[in-house]
Amino acid sequence: QSALTQPASVSGSPGQSITISCTGTSSDVGGYNLVSWYQQHPGKAPKLIIYEVSNRPSRISTRFSGSKSGNTASLTISGLQAEDEADYYCYSYTSSTTRIFGGGTKLTVL
Amino acid sequence: QVQLQESGPGLVKPSQTLSLTCIVSGASISGGGYYWTWIRQHPGKGLEWIGYIYYSGSTFYNPSLKSRLTISADMSKNHFSLKLSSLTAADTAVYYCAREGDTAVQGAFDIWGQGTMVTVSS
Repeated sequence: QSALTQPASVSGSPGQSITISCTGTSSDVGGYNLVSWYQQHPGKAPKLIIYEVSNRPSRISTRFSGSKSGNTASLTISGLQAEDEADYYCYSYTSSTTRIFGGGTKLTVL
Repeated sequence: QVQLQESGPGLVKPSQTLSLTCIVSGASISGGGYYWTWIRQHPGKGLEWIGYIYYSGSTFYNPSLKSRLTISADMSKNHFSLKLSSLTAADTAVYYCAREGDTAVQGAFDIWGQGTMVTVSS
């Protein structure tokens, strides 16, 4: 099964908002409200920032939000800050024989 | 708080078997409600789900690794382990253990280990 599709890179200036998409199929993203997003800084383990499409763990800034429409989930980061520069991965429960991540998106804060 | 810590060799020879252990503290792997999972990341690449073990002992593996993979758990020591056989250079990666929620934080990895780099080389 192929990875979920994410843009390879996105960029934005401090204070702006950006959105990262994650496209799957009706067997994963579209079929379940079980999409999660992870932030990974270089040399660090990934960190959960969104779960069940739009829920935020308590320690995560409200600048991070998630949504879903059809087979595409989205992560929006508002009020971009330099510390947001990282790689971002989506993950979805799937009815297939494996579990899949998105290919990852590198966010550059200009 | 819940913490996961991977341990294992940093260097393994081709054709050998990799053995990694994830020590869990702050939670009981026999308590239910979570899938105890292995994930890896090849250098400069994305995340690859390897497989999990549930508190019941049931396992679920990535089909691409299934023939070489065993995930087990020692409930008495509160740790779970990965064994991957017939290693090649393509298995060189950072290996993470993580906890995926079954009820709370459903379908998401809320706790991760720091990761351990494994290099397959003679």
